[in-house]
Amino acid sequence: KQEVTQIPAALSVPEGENLVLNCSFTDSAIYNLQWFRQDPGKGLTSLLLIQSSQREQTSGRLNASLDKSSGRSTLYIAASQPGDSATYLCALRSSGSARQLTFGSGTQLTVLP
Amino acid sequence: NAGVTQTPKFQVLKTGQSMTLQCAQDMNHNSMYWYRQDPGMGLRLIYYSASEGTTDKGEVPNGYNVSRLNKREFSLRLESAAPSQTSVYFCASSESRGGGNEKLFFGSGTQLSVL
Repeated sequence: KQEVTQIPAALSVPEGENLVLNCSFTDSAIYNLQWFRQDPGKGLTSLLLIQSSQREQTSGRLNASLDKSSGRSTLYIAASQPGDSATYLCALRSSGSARQLTFGSGTQLTVLP
Repeated sequence: NAGVTQTPKFQVLKTGQSMTLQCAQDMNHNSMYWYRQDPGMGLRLIYYSASEGTTDKGEVPNGYNVSRLNKREFSLRLESAAPSQTSVYFCASSESRGGGNEKLFFGSGTQLSVL
């Protein structure tokens, strides 16, 4: 069974810092990986989706990478801003299960002004 | 744009009571999903519907039933609520019939407490 781990559970950084959020997984037979953002009391917003054949995806100040061989993905946030404060979750769709996403428990990010 | 709309936002039930969570999407998506989110456990899939008229069990279906009323609406029913069903419930939808690379769009959630 696929297991997804996000460490640390919480992270505080000063505004302007570049930061990396980590996601590790146990089964490298994945179809794709998504990063989501969740604001308090709100639903999840999809940020980036990396297909199995890709190594990275970029959107604005966000860059997500995927290394299947090591079972890791990272979300890089450049020049962090207080508005980036949220919980970031990664989710994997395994090759053998086209429907089910396996979610990590998330990293709660606080960017201090 | 409304996107995915869930009602109610908050609900308190007593053990044994029943209720239905409502979800509607206005993006003409084929697939719809119900997840629950518990502290420290990420989101887990309860049921999904690949298209109008079809439903399938997810990872944690016990104690729940669903109805895909039409293409827009997907409801989740708790027939006899238990304290273990205290959670935040999210409805989501996606465009395709499950090729796997579609993004999910989420509602804002229903916080349910069962006493």
